[in-house]
Amino acid sequence: EPEVTQTPSHQVTQMGQEVILRCVPISNHLYFYWYRQILGQKVEFLVSFYNNEISEKSEIFDDQFSVERPDGSNFTLKIRSTKLEDSAMYFCASSPTLSLYGYTFGSGTRLTVV
Amino acid sequence: KNEVEQSPQNLTAQEGEFITINCSYSVGISALHWLQQHPGGGIVSLFMLSSGKKKHGRLIATINIQEKHSSLHITASHPRDSAVYICAVRSRDGGATNKLIFGTGTLLAVQP
Repeated sequence: EPEVTQTPSHQVTQMGQEVILRCVPISNHLYFYWYRQILGQKVEFLVSFYNNEISEKSEIFDDQFSVERPDGSNFTLKIRSTKLEDSAMYFCASSPTLSLYGYTFGSGTRLTVV
Repeated sequence: KNEVEQSPQNLTAQEGEFITINCSYSVGISALHWLQQHPGGGIVSLFMLSSGKKKHGRLIATINIQEKHSSLHITASHPRDSAVYICAVRSRDGGATNKLIFGTGTLLAVQP
């Protein structure tokens, strides 16, 4: 069964450092998403991406965040200058269409900012 | 107020019991997703519903659009069903983004 692959599974970084979280969506999917889950809290939407541009972003997704699809297969989330409160599990997801059919999540990257 | 509410927040059951987890939402939706999250964090899709009822193995999901309510049932529960079960909705106003709005999850522990 096709999978959304995320790397690394766990990243520890110093406050103020830049991090890039990587995702390989399912190959025929067209819509891509990042979500985050702070420990003990619910999953929150960060950003959606289609046709090489952001289609929607939440208020969490400020200027410190950016997304990119650099080579047609990878989908990355960059945090420019990490803060302690960025510590969370980050999930990538993809879907083939604008519906929930085939909406698939990756296994997540646990980011710890120290 | 959360747009998606789940109950109960925590549930402990004995193996073999019938389990119901409830989800209520306050927004108009185009579809609802039941998801499972195991310790370690990965999220797995169980059901996508826009109306009626779906069954997969021992899992049954129902939705009542008029009442803005969905339930996830597990029959003959087993310790391997222990996980967090999450309800997530796609708002009807989701437009061209298909983002999901998540509930807080129900932590289920099934004891042998």
